[in-house]
Amino acid sequence: TQLLEQSPQFLSIQEGENLTVYCNSSSVFSSLQWYRQEPGEGPVLLVTVVTGGEVKKLKRLTFQFGDARKDSSLHITAAQPGDTGLYLCAGPRYGNKLVFGAGTILRVKS
Amino acid sequence: NAGVTQTPKFQVLKTGQSMTLQCAQDMNHEYMSWYRQDPGMGLRLIHYSVGAGITDQGEVPNGYNVSRSTTEDFPLRLLSAAPSQTSVYFCASSFRQGTEAFFGQGTRLTVV
Repeated sequence: TQLLEQSPQFLSIQEGENLTVYCNSSSVFSSLQWYRQEPGEGPVLLVTVVTGGEVKKLKRLTFQFGDARKDSSLHITAAQPGDTGLYLCAGPRYGNKLVFGAGTILRVKS
Repeated sequence: NAGVTQTPKFQVLKTGQSMTLQCAQDMNHEYMSWYRQDPGMGLRLIHYSVGAGITDQGEVPNGYNVSRSTTEDFPLRLLSAAPSQTSVYFCASSFRQGTEAFFGQGTRLTVV
């Protein structure tokens, strides 16, 4: 069982559709990070959320941190093929070591 | 600005062989770590270092060794490769433990 559970595992949508991916835990996190990973590359940080209830926007991407700091979501508006990739959430635990969820594979078809 | 550089990008080993995966960063980060990425399991921490001369085990350390003689370099050694070590390996560095991780491009390792 992963400390951070991500859902869905896989998402295939048409260009222009909206989508939401989730990152849930039974544990409280001081912060959560979202990364995007493209094939053959390492993950790249998109955003860090720190405060319960916080909402951050990055162009068409909206990130939310749950009030209890146990969950987070990533909403993409009008998805584009360039959004295709693996989305990972991560948070510091066990002495500030980063733990990762298993990820959501997003494919956006044109 | 190179960031985190990993070599090699691809490697095939025979069972029982040993090898070293190289990792170097030029951001003067104190914290460095090694992860392996397997389908459906996310990134799992193998070993980490909070500074030169200091290393510790992560979640899946068995079969791997690390050393940190300089701030820049953090090599990962496979002592006797096993098929279960077939994976993609990522090196990462952070300004501080728990903060944004900067990843290398990864090494795809196959053990036959």
